[in-house]
Amino acid sequence: DAKTTQPPSMDCAEGRAANLPCNHSTISGNEYVYWYRQIHSQGPQYIIHGLKNNETNEMASLIITEDRKSSTLILPHATLRDTAVYYCIVKGSNYQLIWGAGTKLIIKP
Amino acid sequence: DADVTQTPRNRITKTGKRIMLECSQTKGHDRMYWYRQDPGLGLRLIYYSFDVKDINKGEISDGYSVSRQAQAKFSLSLESAIPNQTALYFCATSDFLGRDNYNEQFFGPGTRLTVL
Repeated sequence: DAKTTQPPSMDCAEGRAANLPCNHSTISGNEYVYWYRQIHSQGPQYIIHGLKNNETNEMASLIITEDRKSSTLILPHATLRDTAVYYCIVKGSNYQLIWGAGTKLIIKP
Repeated sequence: DADVTQTPRNRITKTGKRIMLECSQTKGHDRMYWYRQDPGLGLRLIYYSFDVKDINKGEISDGYSVSRQAQAKFSLSLESAIPNQTALYFCATSDFLGRDNYNEQFFGPGTRLTVL
C-alpha cells in the first residue's frame, strides 16, 4: 500500500493561502489521494480528493503533479478556524484509508 | 441531530473488564468502520463492515470484536480491556459510489477510553 509523507507542522498567517504538501511517491495508477482534517480531537472531516486532475471545491483546491508522486492542498484564504491537523491519505487495499501522522497547521492572527 | 453518534463519549474502566462502544448513524450508509487514534498519530482501522452480513478485520483487530446489529448500528467490544487500549475511538460511515470505489467517510465525535 502506498504511504504518504507530510511535514509535521506548518504556520500560516490569517488571510493568506495555506499550501500543504504531501509526497506519495509509491502511489499506484488507480489510487486516489484524499485530504481530511481533524480539529482538536474531533472526528476527522473530509476536505477533497483527486486522482489525476486538479480539483477544487468550496473548502480547498488540490493540485496533483503530473507524475502523481506528490500533491498540494491549498486553503485559499486561511482563517483561525482552519487550525487543525491535515491528513493526506491514499486508499490502500480492501478500501482502507492509510492514515499518517498528518501536518499540524497553525493559523496565526 | 448528528448523523453519526457514539456512546459513551468518555469511559474509564479497569484492566480485564469487558466494554462495549456503540455507534449509530442516520445517513443510510451501508459501510461502517471503527478506528482508534493514539496521541500524535493518525487513525488505524480496527474493523469494517460493508453491510449487515459482512465483517472484516482491519490493521489492528487483535483484542477487539464487533457486531453489526443493523444497517445503522455497529458496536465495538473489548472483551478484556488492557491499558494499551487506552485511546480515542472513532466510528465512521461511507456510501459506495460505484466504479472508482471513492468513499468519503463521515466520522462520529469519538469515544475517549481510559483503561486503568
